[in-house]
Amino acid sequence: GDSVTQMEGPVTLSEEAFLTINCTYTATGYPSLFWYVQYPGEGLQLLLKATKADDKGSNKGFEATYRKETTSFHLEKGSVQVSDSAVYFCALGSSNTGKLIFGQGTTLQVKP
Amino acid sequence: DTEVTQTPKHLVMGMTNKKSLKCEQHMGHRAMYWYKQKAKKPPELMFVYSYEKLSINESVPSRFSPECPNSSLLNLHLHALQPEDSALYLCASSPSHRDVFEKLFFGSGTQLSVL
Repeated sequence: GDSVTQMEGPVTLSEEAFLTINCTYTATGYPSLFWYVQYPGEGLQLLLKATKADDKGSNKGFEATYRKETTSFHLEKGSVQVSDSAVYFCALGSSNTGKLIFGQGTTLQVKP
Repeated sequence: DTEVTQTPKHLVMGMTNKKSLKCEQHMGHRAMYWYKQKAKKPPELMFVYSYEKLSINESVPSRFSPECPNSSLLNLHLHALQPEDSALYLCASSPSHRDVFEKLFFGSGTQLSVL
């Protein structure tokens, strides 16, 4: 079945460091791919998305490129801030089931 | 208004209690969802309502009973819960179930503790 695998956390970085959170997927067909962010005590917010191969999603300085050849959708940011501390979920839209399938989440902690 | 509002934010209940969680949206969305999220885990889909009708039940125990009184409201009735049901319960909505991938909005959740 369709699945998403994220790198395990927590990831701890200093402010202004470069961020990469790895995400790979297994799916039949051509899924849409998403990154959601969850700040402490809140629900999930869509951070960015890509709907087809080679698309790049971007928002708030975060970027991710849909790579069909490597079945990946890694999240990157050039310079993280303390306010980026949150849990990040990679997800795919499964055309098989009509459901969002989430990865396990990666906790990011940014220290001043 | 792009909000999904959930009440209460926190709930503590005993195993013999009956309580309800409420969710409201005024975006004109016709699909609404309940998710359960355990600490440090991803959300798990419980129920989907499409045009006020239950369209997906992910084999959820009958002690959880959803209700969609109208297109703006979604309730989750709780009865005889177990301690392992303690979790964050998230409501979400989308314009339709076909849009779930593109335009899914989450509420902030109800943190439920079952004693």
